[in-house]
Amino acid sequence: QQQVKQSPQSLIVQKGGISIINCAYENTAFDYFPWYQQFPGKGPALLIAIRPDVSEKKEGRFTISFNKSAKQFSLHIMDSQPGDSATYFCAAKGPQAGTALIFGKGTTLSVSS
Amino acid sequence: DVKVTQSSRYLVKRTGEKVFLECVQDMDHENMFWYRQDPGLGLRLIYFSYDVKMKEKGDIPEGYSVSREKKERFSLILESASTNQTSMYLCASSGLGDPGRRKIPQYFGPGTRLLVL
Repeated sequence: QQQVKQSPQSLIVQKGGISIINCAYENTAFDYFPWYQQFPGKGPALLIAIRPDVSEKKEGRFTISFNKSAKQFSLHIMDSQPGDSATYFCAAKGPQAGTALIFGKGTTLSVSS
Repeated sequence: DVKVTQSSRYLVKRTGEKVFLECVQDMDHENMFWYRQDPGLGLRLIYFSYDVKMKEKGDIPEGYSVSREKKERFSLILESASTNQTSMYLCASSGLGDPGRRKIPQYFGPGTRLLVL
């Protein structure tokens, strides 16, 4: 119940294309769903986050789509660029103060030029 | 800017050695976390702390211990390092956030790559 399942494990997209990464969860108490981006040799950094009271959040070329009934959320990267090549992690957290984010296993994105 | 620093970027240790990984954050955050990152396994939580001298086990605490004597500092200890503890170790911190709506993100350090021979 505490898992967050992420797919695909790796993704190759052409420059200018749309990258889509999917995550699914079981725990309906989760109320915070962030995405993290990690470049080689760096720690993960928060990219964008959503709460379950909205179905979509957009920041620049990055969009989270959230489907509460299906318990799924996804990251869409529009007009993908070589600089977007990184590992992406979805995560989820419940409302309790003393709990940690639960991460998916990550997706390695390569954007070819 | 929030800064989470880790004492070493790379460490090489021998089997059986006691290893200390230090993490310091400068944002007065209540919560601090230790993860290990392995290819194909993602980020797995080892321990976290929501207050000074408080600690909670994560998903994979076996073989590790932690110490939080000061709010800004969270140490991960490998009592007797083993080769299966070769990994990337990531520290993170976060504030409490608003009781109602706003969530405070976790900020990560750059990681320590540990090799146990």
